[in-house]
Amino acid sequence: LAKTTQPISMDSYEGQEVNITCSHNNIATNDYITWYQQFPSQGPRFIIQGYKTKVTNEVASLFIPADRKSSTLSLPRVSLSDTAVYYCLLPEGFQKLVFGTGTRLLVSP
Amino acid sequence: EAQVTQNPRYLITVTGKKLTVTCSQNMNHEYMSWYRQDPGLGLRQIYYSMNVEVTDKGDVPEGYKVSRKEKRNFPLILESPSPNQTSLYFCASSLGDRGYNEQFFGPGTRLTVL
Repeated sequence: LAKTTQPISMDSYEGQEVNITCSHNNIATNDYITWYQQFPSQGPRFIIQGYKTKVTNEVASLFIPADRKSSTLSLPRVSLSDTAVYYCLLPEGFQKLVFGTGTRLLVSP
Repeated sequence: EAQVTQNPRYLITVTGKKLTVTCSQNMNHEYMSWYRQDPGLGLRQIYYSMNVEVTDKGDVPEGYKVSRKEKRNFPLILESPSPNQTSLYFCASSLGDRGYNEQFFGPGTRLTVL
């Protein structure tokens, strides 16, 4: 059974880089790791997805070490609008999907 | 506009009164699923469907039923709702399974069972 663990909350200031880690103890060789952002009373929104090493898009980077037992979402230069809950998402078994416990990020001026 | 729609958005009902929450997507996605979100418990998958007439249980299927008679629709059925099913429900769809593809979420349905 996949178990994913994230820090409950993090605080940051505008302009800083934020790194959020998701620990997953059992991930299959070909599984992708995905990160989502969620604002209150809204559905989660896709941020980034990766399989190994490093992936970067216009809003974030995703770092996955060689043992693939964790992944780190990196948000460069956060702004107030980045205040949200961030979830990692991993497949489990054949077709199930399991969300991480979620990290509440608070960005202050 | 590509989207996932859910109805109703808000529902207050009483114990034992059957209800259905509808979910529809217009992106021709194969994979659809239902999640519930509760404070302190995050998002948990209830049921998922890989294609028409193919459904399977997620982590918390007890008390729920689903059907996938058409590719675009994936209704969630509560035959006899109980107060512990009070929650925020999200429907989602994606091109494929195993998390390879971006999931698109609906706006959510807030259900209260009295």
